[in-house]
Amino acid sequence: KNEVEQSPQNLTAQEGEFITINCSYSVGISALHWLQQHPGGGIVSLFMLSSGKKKHGRLIATINIQEKHSSLHITASHPRDSAVYICASRGGSQGNLIFGKGTKLSVKP
Amino acid sequence: NAGVTQTPKFRILKIGQSMTLQCTQDMNHNYMYWYRQDPGMGLKLIYYSVGAGITDKGEVPNGYNVSRSTTEDFPLRLELAAPSQTSVYFCASGRDGNYGYTFGSGTRLTVV
Repeated sequence: KNEVEQSPQNLTAQEGEFITINCSYSVGISALHWLQQHPGGGIVSLFMLSSGKKKHGRLIATINIQEKHSSLHITASHPRDSAVYICASRGGSQGNLIFGKGTKLSVKP
Repeated sequence: NAGVTQTPKFRILKIGQSMTLQCTQDMNHNYMYWYRQDPGMGLKLIYYSVGAGITDKGEVPNGYNVSRSTTEDFPLRLELAAPSQTSVYFCASGRDGNYGYTFGSGTRLTVV
């Protein structure tokens, strides 16, 4: 059974800091998703990746298939980045995801 | 383009009552999912559907039922509500299993 572990569970940063959130999974997967859950509860899909690196604005996601590990980086963090960041692995063809418990990020001005 | 619409946003049920959580998407996505999110836990898959007329159980299906009579709609039915079903429920859709997802805004359900 695939398990998804995230670290850290909670992260507090000062505005402008470079942030890294880590995600490890236990079995081979076809893709890994990074999601953002706003304080109001809504969930937004940030990235889906199966190899290498993707970048969108100040967000960068990387994945190492051999090490079963992915990272989400935020450059020049801002208070509006405060949210819960969730990684989820996809193994089957139906697109079912296994979710990590999330990393709660708080960026202080 | 509304995306994925869930109703209601909040609901309080008494033990033993029944209700239907509605989910509608206007993106012509074939794949639809229902997840529940409990405090401190990752989202868990309740049921999913890969197209109209096709549904299948996820990780935590007990106490729930679904139907998929149209591409757009994927309602989740709770029969005989129990306190263990107190949770936040999210509906999501995707074009197929190989693309990203669009999530609804969630339904916060409390069973008392």
